[in-house]
Amino acid sequence: DGGITQSPKYLFRKEGQNVTLSCEQNLNHDAMYWYRQDPGQGLRLIYYSQIVNDFQKGDIAEGYSVSREKKESFPLTVTSAQKNPTAFYLCASRRKGLAGDWGPTDTQYFGPGTRLTVL
Amino acid sequence: EDQVTQSPEALRLQEGESSSLNCSYTVSGLRGLFWYRQDPGKGPEFLFTLYSAGEEKEKERLKATLTKKESFLHITAPKPEDSATYLCAVSSGNTPLVFGKGTRLSVIA
Repeated sequence: DGGITQSPKYLFRKEGQNVTLSCEQNLNHDAMYWYRQDPGQGLRLIYYSQIVNDFQKGDIAEGYSVSREKKESFPLTVTSAQKNPTAFYLCASRRKGLAGDWGPTDTQYFGPGTRLTVL
Repeated sequence: EDQVTQSPEALRLQEGESSSLNCSYTVSGLRGLFWYRQDPGKGPEFLFTLYSAGEEKEKERLKATLTKKESFLHITAPKPEDSATYLCAVSSGNTPLVFGKGTRLSVIA
């Protein structure tokens, strides 16, 4: 069954703790993305990676870190430096990365999300 | 800078009352415009991709159209199960998609 999985579905964090959100895809996609969603603010891009061992900051990268050691995995760490981490986190992937001409099959797909709550 | 504006922010319809959602965009070289549906607490679900002005795509009660400056998502005779947030996004190549803030649709029986 092809798709994007995120775990856990719900995560609770105490203040001062780092937590890691998992994202795995078996679609053989090159590009992967992390978004944060807050009520009334739409999707905000945290980090993205278009190729293994490389990633770029998005619009709200402060307080977050990522790694891309394998094509199918793109974990997100929410560090204690993130002042207001309570939010819904979405992972996404897309077939093409840096190379190639983007076209009709380059749809971006999303995982089911992780809801993070700071206690 | 690519920009996407969706309107209205929220829309309340009676069951069977057709309407349209708007997605206005500015982009340097459109490579694709995407519509997604998002239910509360879930990830966005892909609906349509449009590539060139004049293109139309249909799926059940939904029809998406595209002009050089905007896209419409027409909902014909909606049902309560069509209630969701509808997101629009544009692509100008291998840079990340730019998303609008969405339209929250409520269909009342």
